[in-house]
Amino acid sequence: NAGVTQTPKFRVLKTGQSMTLLCAQDMNHEYMYWYRQDPGMGLRLIHYSVGEGTTAKGEVPDGYNVSRLKKQNFLLGLESAAPSQTSVYFCASSQARGELFFGEGSRLTVL
Amino acid sequence: DAKTTQPNSMESNEEEPVHLPCNHSTISGTDYIHWYRQLPSQGPEYVIHGLTSNVNNRMASLAIAEDRKSSTLILHRATLRDAAVYYCIPGGDTGTASKLTFGTGTRLQVTL
Repeated sequence: NAGVTQTPKFRVLKTGQSMTLLCAQDMNHEYMYWYRQDPGMGLRLIHYSVGEGTTAKGEVPDGYNVSRLKKQNFLLGLESAAPSQTSVYFCASSQARGELFFGEGSRLTVL
Repeated sequence: DAKTTQPNSMESNEEEPVHLPCNHSTISGTDYIHWYRQLPSQGPEYVIHGLTSNVNNRMASLAIAEDRKSSTLILHRATLRDAAVYYCIPGGDTGTASKLTFGTGTRLQVTL
């Protein structure tokens, strides 16, 4: 059982480039989330989704867009990457009763 | 969101019990207390959660103060694999999205 899978695991971008991080879950969870974690800091919520076709802003949404076209997938897009978006990105999913299941993370470096 | 206070770091010897404290004095009456941990180079993983009563599972025990302003995560016999950052997170469990706010947590070191 794969759980939550993030693609890619590592990526290096130049400032101004765009990219998409893919999160896939095979647990039929309704809710999905994107977090970022900077060195020495906790996780901060970027965007989340409460179901297919719906998305909402989290704590730090600026510079990111998301889409949830299929229940099992949650995409995080950076239209014009900036060095401040260098971080480790974690996707998570959950059912309505709260326990979050996280992926292994995607390390993004923006030069 | 309720503010939490946790020690930055703690140390324990292997095979000994560990008590990880958390202060959440501004917790709302309907917030659960969640604990997650993050092993090195991994995503966080769920440990335990509770509302008012003490809770036990295969990983740990959660002791919640009667006034709910603090809680303690108890690892009964620490192993090297328990070395991680432990996050205490007050949050809802009411069928809505789990928009849990992760602070900086407590880094637990376990030594032989």
